Amino acid sequence: AQSVAQPEDQVNVAEGNPLTVKCTYSVSGNPYLFWYVQYPNRGLQFLLKYITGDNLVKGSYGFEAEFNKSQTSFHLKKPSALVSDSALYFCAVRDPNRDDKIIFGKGTRLHILP
Amino acid sequence: EAGVTQSPTHLIKTRGQQATLRCSPISGHTSVYWYQQALGLGLQFLLWYDEGEERNRGNFPPRFSGRQFPNYSSELNVNALELEDSALYLCASSLAVGQVEQETQYFGPGTRLLVL
Repeated sequence: AQSVAQPEDQVNVAEGNPLTVKCTYSVSGNPYLFWYVQYPNRGLQFLLKYITGDNLVKGSYGFEAEFNKSQTSFHLKKPSALVSDSALYFCAVRDPNRDDKIIFGKGTRLHILP
Repeated sequence: EAGVTQSPTHLIKTRGQQATLRCSPISGHTSVYWYQQALGLGLQFLLWYDEGEERNRGNFPPRFSGRQFPNYSSELNVNALELEDSALYLCASSLAVGQVEQETQYFGPGTRLLVL
């Protein structure tokens, strides 16, 4: 069965420092991987996705993520955090070989400290 | 281009009542997904409709049901409301199954349901 894990409930980073939000997954084949962000009292916004190709994926708001097949990870990164990056971040995975739904992680709350 | 819209934005019901939530997908999208986001529980998958058919269902009781209309808009119905149904209900849409871009879901702002 496919699954996704976000091992950290919360991540605190000082403004201007690099940030990483971790995500690991489990699927039987090659995964489709996604990151979404949710600001307070809002729906989820799509940040980036990996379908195939270059392992380093660049997305909105200066975020990027690296697909690492050997470690089954898809960590979200940004070189220099902004206070406005503070939000709830969700990783998601789907196995394209299965007619199944996308699975979302439980979310990681990112706090950027001024 | 208009995004996914949901109505109402807020809904207050009492235990035992029925709630109806509505979602209009992005133009051209034929798949609609419903999620429940209760406090501290992340995103729980409820239902997936594509071309009017139910494609998949999450681990929710039968009192959670829905449908998709010919114009691809969708309704989520929750019968016999319970206090624990209080949550933010999110709708998302995507392109048709089989198109590689269909994997990206675009979310509406949600309907916040409060059951008293």
